[in-house]
Order: sequence, then C-alpha cells, then structure tokens
Amino acid sequence: DAMVIQNPRYQVTQFGKPVTLSCSQTLNHNVMYWYQQKSSQAPKLLFHYYDKDFNNEADTPDNFQSRRPNTSFCFLDIRSPGLGDAAMYLCATSRGKGSYNEQFFGPGTRLTVL
Amino acid sequence: AQTVTQSQPEMSVQEAETVTLSCTYDTSESDYYLFWYKQPPSRQMILVIRQEAYKQQNATENRFSVNFQKAAKSFSLKISDSQLGDAAMYFCAYDGGATNKLIFGTGTLLAVQP
Repeated sequence: DAMVIQNPRYQVTQFGKPVTLSCSQTLNHNVMYWYQQKSSQAPKLLFHYYDKDFNNEADTPDNFQSRRPNTSFCFLDIRSPGLGDAAMYLCATSRGKGSYNEQFFGPGTRLTVL
Repeated sequence: AQTVTQSQPEMSVQEAETVTLSCTYDTSESDYYLFWYKQPPSRQMILVIRQEAYKQQNATENRFSVNFQKAAKSFSLKISDSQLGDAAMYFCAYDGGATNKLIFGTGTLLAVQP
C-alpha cells in the first residue's frame, strides 16, 4: 500500500549526540513536512519542502535541519539534541500546496534523549 | 496569529452512543479549512473530516459530522453510534491559506466504553 514510512519508530540518543530521523513516501507527493509533538501538546510544524524548495518555520530552532535528496525521502537532523528535544516527530506528505490538499501522516518516531 | 483551542482534554462515551468534541479557533481570515484528525495509540494520524469555510453546509462522513459555526468560530465533531475503534486522540486543525500549514489544537482523548 502507498504510505508514509518513518524509521526508526523509536530512537534513543544521548545529550548532544547528533541524530537523524528518516521519512519515506510511496505516494509521489510533492510536499513533505516535519512536525514535533511533545507529550500532551499539539503537533507543531518545524519545516516543509515543496519539491526541493525548503521552508523553515520562524521559530524552529537552528539545531534542527532537514534534507530532501529526492521526492521519496526526507530526513530530519538534530545536530545537538537536548533534553527538551525529546518528542514524537511526525512526517507528513501532501500532493501539493493549498489547503484542499490532505496531509498524510507517518506513524512517527519517538525520540528519547538521555 | 491563528489559534485552535480544544477545551476537553478527555472524553468518554458508551459504545453505540453519540459524543461531541468541541473546538474553537481564532482567525482574521475569511477563507480557510478546518480539519479533524484521529490519532489512534501508536498509529498514524488520519484525516476524519474536512470543512471548507466558504461552504455553509456542514461536512459529514458516515458516522462523523461537524457543526461549523463560522461567526462563532466553532467547529465541533459529532461521532454517532460510537465504536470501540473510535477510541483515539482527536485533533482539531486549521489551515488558513496556500501554505497548507496545519495549526493543531491540543487534542481530546476519547475513550469508548463497551
């Protein structure tokens, strides 16, 4: 089935040790998103790619970077994770921009920082 | 800035009964989309229902329907004939323009009692 896949589902890292989360999609969608969802909080958009065009949210920390090497894959790099970065990270895709485009979500990667 | 508020952190309903989840939002825009997403435990978020603000008719999807009150900026979700599989976290979300940027509420955790 076409879907959004996130690997790994659970990631444990040490304070300050770089970590990369992976997202892939078989939907051939143009737009890919990364959200951060902390415990009992709303998902918060970190950035998104429209094709190769990168869009960073104004309040996304510099510690967070993203790469999209091709249509199917998108990576979230956390350069120096802090305890406050422990969260669920959700990847989503949509066919295009515009509010009428439904976003399809992956199952998320739960990041623990020790 | 747009905000989305869900005032019910938790709700409970008996199987086969009807439950209504509340959502209010704040925006100065006249054209936008509103969504309800369902996030089952350890599974990906999926779209339940979508409402376009310029449409006066309330959206319905099988057992799910909304009560959209544009003037009051209210967007509640009604689940009829509740089923055990409806148990999940429900997020109300707003998208105000071409960016397809979702702004989520903090969610309502729905329990369905057999």
